[in-house]
Amino acid sequence: DGGITQSPKYLFRKEGQNVTLSCEQNLNHDAMYWYRQDPGQGLRLIYYSQIVNDFQKGDIAEGYSVSREKKESFPLTVTSAQKNPTAFYLCASSSKNYGYTFGSGTRLTVV
Amino acid sequence: AQSVTQPDIHITVSEGASLELRCNYSYGATPYLFWYVQSPGQGLQLLLKYFSGDTLVQGIKGFEAEFKRSQSSFNLRKPSVHWSDAAEYFCAVGDSSNSGGYQKVTFGTGTKLQVIP
Repeated sequence: DGGITQSPKYLFRKEGQNVTLSCEQNLNHDAMYWYRQDPGQGLRLIYYSQIVNDFQKGDIAEGYSVSREKKESFPLTVTSAQKNPTAFYLCASSSKNYGYTFGSGTRLTVV
Repeated sequence: AQSVTQPDIHITVSEGASLELRCNYSYGATPYLFWYVQSPGQGLQLLLKYFSGDTLVQGIKGFEAEFKRSQSSFNLRKPSVHWSDAAEYFCAVGDSSNSGGYQKVTFGTGTKLQVIP
């Protein structure tokens, strides 16, 4: 079945560490997105990519980085510059017909 | 800038009762509108979407939504709620001006639905 796979489901980060969240899709979608979800704040866009080797900042890109070397993959790195990284992170993809398909999320906790 | 307001943070309904979740949007033209559902610890699932045409949209799991331009609303309805409908529901608005690729989607803050026996 086609879909989006996010891994790991749970991730723990020590202060000063960079961590990378994986997102893979087999839907042949061109566009991919990373959102951050905090209680009571809905979803906020971190980065998005429409084509391979190209990506743009969303509303809260500071402290995050991404790459898009393959159409299927859009990993997110949470750097030590992100001062409050504890959150639920969601990856999504979309085709030109619109409507996002979401992964099941990664919960990141700072320890 | 586009925005979405979901005025109800939390709603409780009895099983079998009808449901209406409110959504108001702000956008300069005719928007793309969506409703998503999220179970705890999971991703979001698309319930239904409105791009154009008939303003009453049917979705999965027996949900429907009506686009009312005069009220800038896109309320979600279900005639009879089941216990399995307990979840968080998100309304979203998309930019309809770019049909060829990425369209920025803005999500509301969500409404948590509790279903009591």
